[in-house]
Amino acid sequence: GAVVSQHPSWVICKSGTSVKIECRSLDFQATTMFWYRQFPKQSLMLMATSNEGSKATYEQGVEKDKFLINHASLTLSTLTVTSAHPEDSSFYICSARTGGEQYFGPGTRLTVT
Amino acid sequence: AQSVAQPEDQVNVAEGNPLTVKCTYSVSGNPYLFWYVQYPNRGLQFLLKYITGDNLVKGSYGFEAEFNKSQTSFHLKKPSALVSDSALYFCAVRDSGNTPLVFGKGTRLSVIA
Repeated sequence: GAVVSQHPSWVICKSGTSVKIECRSLDFQATTMFWYRQFPKQSLMLMATSNEGSKATYEQGVEKDKFLINHASLTLSTLTVTSAHPEDSSFYICSARTGGEQYFGPGTRLTVT
Repeated sequence: AQSVAQPEDQVNVAEGNPLTVKCTYSVSGNPYLFWYVQYPNRGLQFLLKYITGDNLVKGSYGFEAEFNKSQTSFHLKKPSALVSDSALYFCAVRDSGNTPLVFGKGTRLSVIA
């Protein structure tokens, strides 16, 4: 139980385009999901906390207009990287919380060319 | 605010020897402590957690960790290392509320045959 999936697992896009990453809790409902970003050989940095049906809470330094988060249902949160640039290339990991535990998705590797 | 320190970027150990990966934390209130492992281009795999109770916590793949309140530490240990244990290990903490997990910078473990 408590499986979190992400789609796509990797994506390559051209600079200036937008990319949407989906995070789903497969066998549980998650009122709260989190989005993390991981640079090569570095730790996971929390980007934002999303709560179902309300606006996401962004960490300091994260551009909310660039990283659009939507938590439309109890099993789905999406992260849209708008007008992507090469510096947005990174590994994005989502996490869903249930019963006080956080479960992590397998991550999405984004490469912007 | 909570924080985690993993003082070692890299730990090298010979196969069959015991291993320790260090972690210290700072949190207001009672800590909820976690260890995760990450293999290349993969998401996080949960190893173990401490919430309350026995200070020695046993987890997956033969790993264990000892909670030391006076030293605010939660070191990860394994009596006999395997080459397959080579990976990136993250310590994480949150308080007893609904705050998201905060991660250390990670420690790369290399087990040499």
